[in-house]
Amino acid sequence: KAGVTQTPRYLIKTRGQQVTLSCSPISGHRSVSWYQQTPGQGLQFLFEYFSETQRNKGNFPGRFSGRQFSNSRSEMNVSTLELGDSALYLCASSSPDRAYGYTFGSGTRLTVV
Amino acid sequence: KNEVEQSPQNLTAQEGEFITINCSYSVGISALHWLQQHPGGGIVSLFMLSSGKKKHGRLIATINIQEKHSSLHITASHPRDSAVYICAVQINTDKLIFGTGTRLQVFP
Repeated sequence: KAGVTQTPRYLIKTRGQQVTLSCSPISGHRSVSWYQQTPGQGLQFLFEYFSETQRNKGNFPGRFSGRQFSNSRSEMNVSTLELGDSALYLCASSSPDRAYGYTFGSGTRLTVV
Repeated sequence: KNEVEQSPQNLTAQEGEFITINCSYSVGISALHWLQQHPGGGIVSLFMLSSGKKKHGRLIATINIQEKHSSLHITASHPRDSAVYICAVQINTDKLIFGTGTRLQVFP
């Protein structure tokens, strides 16, 4: 059974640009959640999607957005990048009953220069 | 005050030692998760608890809902257990709030 796949693994962008990150969940998992990890703030919840609907959102500015497609794949977008957006972005998927908790992807490491 | 507090922040141990990492939280939760993160970033889910105790190999996790406290124990620690261990509480369906992590180093 394939795991959670995040692409790309590494990304370097310039301030002011925008970026789109992709997450493909485990087959059958309909919930995808996104997290940002930085040395200063640790892991923080960004948002969660279930069946193409955003169910929860963390305390991040509107520059951070996401969506989920009918095949449960999810994308997150960050517009007008700032240096502080440099982070490891992780997504996780879970089965509808969450019986086995979460499966995390390997993450996308974004560097903004 | 953080909603999820972990202790200790750093832990060093000799191979074979019994290790305990603690997690306290201040919010209502539907479940508590213990996660392991190795250098390079990948996160592995170790346990999901809503009550009682779970065991997997040399790892044991317990939770006391009334006291809002959980512990992760590692018996007979091994250098390959060296990692950051993160406690996370689950609220509102799939929203996780994370502790700051405990960095464990086990020396041979």
